[in-house]
Amino acid sequence: EVHLLESGGALVQPGGSLRLSCAASGFNFNNYDMSWVRQAPGKGLEWVSAIGGGGGGTYYADSVKGRFTISRDNSKNTLYLQLNSLRDEDTAVYFCAKGFARDYFEYWGQGTLVTVSS
Amino acid sequence: QSALTQPASVSGSPGQSITISCTGTSSDVGSYNLVSWYQQHPGKAPKVMIFEVSKRPSGVSDRFSGSKSGNSASLTISGLQADDEAYYYCCSFARGGPFVLFGGGTKLTVL
Repeated sequence: EVHLLESGGALVQPGGSLRLSCAASGFNFNNYDMSWVRQAPGKGLEWVSAIGGGGGGTYYADSVKGRFTISRDNSKNTLYLQLNSLRDEDTAVYFCAKGFARDYFEYWGQGTLVTVSS
Repeated sequence: QSALTQPASVSGSPGQSITISCTGTSSDVGSYNLVSWYQQHPGKAPKVMIFEVSKRPSGVSDRFSGSKSGNSASLTISGLQADDEAYYYCCSFARGGPFVLFGGGTKLTVL
C-alpha cells in the first residue's frame, strides 16, 4: 500500500525559511516523478514543484521560482521542499503527490500546514 | 497561463446525473489527452477519479466518467449519492510551463 507522509509545516515569519519532507513507502520511489501541490485556506489546488524520478530535472511554478528548491533522497525514499524568502501568500497546506505533468497525481499525502505570518 | 475554468458550483438530487465542465486552451486541454479529475472532501487530501480524459483508476465507481471536446473537458457523475458531495478539480498538462494547471474547483452539492 502506498503511503506519503509530509512533515515540517510550521508558523514562520515573512522572509523566513522552512524545509518540508515527504516520506514515501509502498512503491519503487526512485522510479517516479514526485510533486508538491499546495492549497491556500479556502482556495483551490496549485501545483508548486516537481522532480524527475532519477533526480534529474526540477520544475517550478513561476510563483515560487528562485525561492523554493525541490530535492529527493532516493536512499531514504524521501522528498523535500526547501522554502526560502517566505511570503504571506505562501500560507497553505502543502501536499506531496506521486506523479507529474504527463502522469497524473496518483497518490497524495495528507498535507502539512505552512503559515507565514508576523 | 491561467488556471482552467470550472463552474464554482453545481448541484443535483440523489440518483440524478451532473456534469462539471473544465475549459482550457489549445496549449493545455486542447492539445493533450492528459486531463485528470480529483475529488476532495473538506479537510482531506484530493483523490484521483479520472485520468487521461476518461480512464478510471482501480476502485473508482463507474458512475464517474470523463470526456473531452476541443479545449474543454467534462466530468459526469451519474446516480448521485450523498458521499459524492465534495469539491472537484480538473487538471491538465500544459505546454511550456507551468506544466500543470488546475481548475479553480467546483463544489458539488447533493440536495
